[in-house]
Amino acid sequence: EPEVTQTPSHQVTQMGQEVILRCVPISNHLYFYWYRQILGQKVEFLVSFYNNEISEKSEIFDDQFSVERPDGSNFTLKIRSTKLEDSAMYFCATRTGSGNTIYFGEGSWLTVV
Amino acid sequence: GIQVEQSPPDLILQEGANSTLRCNFSDSVNNLQWFHQNPWGQLINLFYIPSGTKQNGRLSATTVATERYSLLYISSSQTTDSGVYFCAVDSWGKLQFGAGTQVVVTP
Repeated sequence: EPEVTQTPSHQVTQMGQEVILRCVPISNHLYFYWYRQILGQKVEFLVSFYNNEISEKSEIFDDQFSVERPDGSNFTLKIRSTKLEDSAMYFCATRTGSGNTIYFGEGSWLTVV
Repeated sequence: GIQVEQSPPDLILQEGANSTLRCNFSDSVNNLQWFHQNPWGQLINLFYIPSGTKQNGRLSATTVATERYSLLYISSSQTTDSGVYFCAVDSWGKLQFGAGTQVVVTP
């Protein structure tokens, strides 16, 4: 089965530092997403990205978050100034078209200390 | 937004037992997926099932879209089935997850 690839698998960072999480989508997919899961809680939607722009974002996705697809392959999530409460598993997800199966990457554990 | 409720929240099974997990949702959807989150945190796609019934080995799922619920059946459970099972519904282009059912299968 095709895979969504995420790096790093785990990152520990100091509060206030910038973090970039990277995702390589499945090659023919057009819709990209970031989700997050705080330990022990459910998976929450952060942002969706289509045609090189954000199509929807949640209340969680405030000004300290940004996404881009700089080289047409990697899809990145940047957290500008991390807080303790940003500690979570971050999942990238992609799909070919609206309404189709969404495929998730293995996740990136972010620990802010 | 759309509400997704899963039941039961926790389930303890003896190896070999069968079980049914339920997902109720509050509005019409154009996609419903079931996931298994393993102990390493990975979300594994089980089914894409906006309606109807599908089977994959010991797992099967049924969605009755008109009545806004989906069921996941686990038959002859094994210890490797342990983990959290999430259903997620697609409303207007993003997945809304339920809180999950924590399944523990004991030898």
